[in-house]
Amino acid sequence: SQELEQSPQSLIVQEGKNLTINCTSSKTLYGLYWYKQKYGEGLIFLMMLQKGGEEKSHEKITAKLDEKKQQSSLHITASQPSHAGIYLCGADISTNYGQNFVFGPGTRLSVLP
Amino acid sequence: DTGVSQDPRHKITKRGQNVTFRCDPISEHNRLYWYRQTLGQGPEFLTYFQNEAQLEKSRLLSDRFSAERPKGSFSTLEIQRTEQGDSAMYLCASTGTQNTGELFFGEGSRLTVL
Repeated sequence: SQELEQSPQSLIVQEGKNLTINCTSSKTLYGLYWYKQKYGEGLIFLMMLQKGGEEKSHEKITAKLDEKKQQSSLHITASQPSHAGIYLCGADISTNYGQNFVFGPGTRLSVLP
Repeated sequence: DTGVSQDPRHKITKRGQNVTFRCDPISEHNRLYWYRQTLGQGPEFLTYFQNEAQLEKSRLLSDRFSAERPKGSFSTLEIQRTEQGDSAMYLCASTGTQNTGELFFGEGSRLTVL
């Protein structure tokens, strides 16, 4: 989706290190969702952010939606091999072709033991 | 298992053949989405249904692609006269009005066109 951009495209970290993934929208986000995907599998919902400045945590993963609601970050503390996978941000937005739920291109995370 | 199920999980076909994928959403979910995903890319939106009505269809969906959800329950995605560029993972997801934004995905149907 060109409506959502993610950075970095890929990331390799040593186990135990912290990392951050960013998602930027060209439009105001009224809801931003983070998903995780393992290779060849479906997507697993992680968390949803709706209010500017909102921050949510689940285990060692924290996500935040900035005040202007056009960017979100996902932070993993003390990464583990089980965190490896593709992280995707998604949003329900208006596009030139209507209203639909779109995803960013994903960030591929590898965690080295 | 009450999750989203897709069938078949893998399909290998020759160019020019027709293929059909089926998605069974979570029973109480009224919205159903189809996405296509190629290696290294995020899922690309194809179409979605609210109950049996197809409310949105991406420009990516050429005339060779058609999707139905006849009774507002399961859905089928048919690709006619397959091309090698159709090779991808086809993902189905569903959600209910009470699950705002949380899409529940199936495991996907992987298509390989030779």
